[in-house]
Amino acid sequence: QSALTQPRSVSGSPGQSVTISCTGTSSEVGGYDYVSWYQQHPGKAPKLMIYDVNERPSGVPGRFSGSKSGNTASLTISGLHPDDEAEYYCSSYADINTFVFGTGTKVTVL
Amino acid sequence: QVQLVESGGGVVQPGRSLRLSCAASGFTFNNYVMHWVRQAPGKGLEWVAVISYDGNIEYYTDSVKGRFTISRDNSRNTLYLQMNSLRPEDTAVYYCARDRFRVVVPSAWFDPWGQGTLVTVSS
Repeated sequence: QSALTQPRSVSGSPGQSVTISCTGTSSEVGGYDYVSWYQQHPGKAPKLMIYDVNERPSGVPGRFSGSKSGNTASLTISGLHPDDEAEYYCSSYADINTFVFGTGTKVTVL
Repeated sequence: QVQLVESGGGVVQPGRSLRLSCAASGFTFNNYVMHWVRQAPGKGLEWVAVISYDGNIEYYTDSVKGRFTISRDNSRNTLYLQMNSLRPEDTAVYYCARDRFRVVVPSAWFDPWGQGTLVTVSS
């Protein structure tokens, strides 16, 4: 049950796009189309941003999108807003009825 | 509105026990799988345990198997986490989170989350 691998940080200016990768194995990310993404502001609870790889819950801005190729999932934020500055975590079902999160990525809006 | 409120955290010595609670409101509690997720200070999220809508099925991450027990009381709309033989590495904010289905399936999600309760294991 090792954590999925994410870059420690990414950054961009307002209006730019950033992409966060989430790399696992065929036992989780590569084996299931059930990757979700969570946004966490400091001192706050996480918030669901993407589910089932590329689906957005109601209320999540359209600038957030997800994708997956093989054992790597990605979250793209198109048109960065200052309030997008936060920690982002991916998550996936892992074999044998468990779940795993990514290591987390700090998004900085320059 | 949907709300989850955790309680029961605190400072506890290694080897001792603690029980966390998560009070749910604003939705039909017995229609959903529930999870516990923890976050050590300054660290990432770690999934801990899951329980089915009726409490009959439970799964745990390896590091807590045999020490932690997840349970629920649907008559009280409350989720629990009994933590025994606590270790310093169990120090974390513990969140409860709702799933989207009644049974444990791969297409789970965690939404919404409670505000968390801090457990500190220290002598």
